[in-house]
Amino acid sequence: KNQVEQSPQSLIILEGKNCTLQCNYTVSPFSNLRWYKQDTGRGPVSLTIMTFSENTKSNGRYTATLDADTKQSSLHITASQLSDSASYICVVKERGASKIIFGSGTRLSIRP
Amino acid sequence: DAGVTQSPTHLIKTRGQQVTLRCSPKSGHDTVSWYQQALGQGPQFIFQYYEEEERQRGNFPDRFSGHQFPNYSSELNVNALLLGDSALYLCASSLRVSGVQDRTGELFFGEGSRLTVL
Repeated sequence: KNQVEQSPQSLIILEGKNCTLQCNYTVSPFSNLRWYKQDTGRGPVSLTIMTFSENTKSNGRYTATLDADTKQSSLHITASQLSDSASYICVVKERGASKIIFGSGTRLSIRP
Repeated sequence: DAGVTQSPTHLIKTRGQQVTLRCSPKSGHDTVSWYQQALGQGPQFIFQYYEEEERQRGNFPDRFSGHQFPNYSSELNVNALLLGDSALYLCASSLRVSGVQDRTGELFFGEGSRLTVL
């Protein structure tokens, strides 16, 4: 069964600190992996998309990595800000199909 | 460039009632997908519409139905509401090219409709 699992489930860090969120997937065949940021009560917004051949992709203070061999991805947030408080959702697309699979998300809270 | 718009943003219903949620896709998009997101969970796929037909369906009962109009907008209908239907309902639009969904599968989400069933 194709699955996407994220860890930790929740995380609290102080403003200005860095953090790393993890995503493990079993989706096969793999097409791409996307990280979304979802503010409370709002729709998800795409942060990065990575295909099989890409190892790292950055979007400002957000850097995503992908290891297609171990089927793992991480999202690293540098110099966190209060506005980074949100849920971060890992989404994996199956190659050759329109099916995409969502993780349950990591809820990140930034404390001043 | 108009993004995905959903209405209403919030609504309250009682058990057994019916509800209709509406979605207008991002300009240029022709495919609409609906998701249910319970509090603290990731979105769960309900179904997808393309060319006014339901193309894929997730593990949801027949109480959940939908429709897509010629202008690509879509409705989600839920009958015989249950307490467990309380959730944020998200609409996402994407683009199919020549009958095959855009390779990236990029989804653009609306802000959602928050449904509370009492």
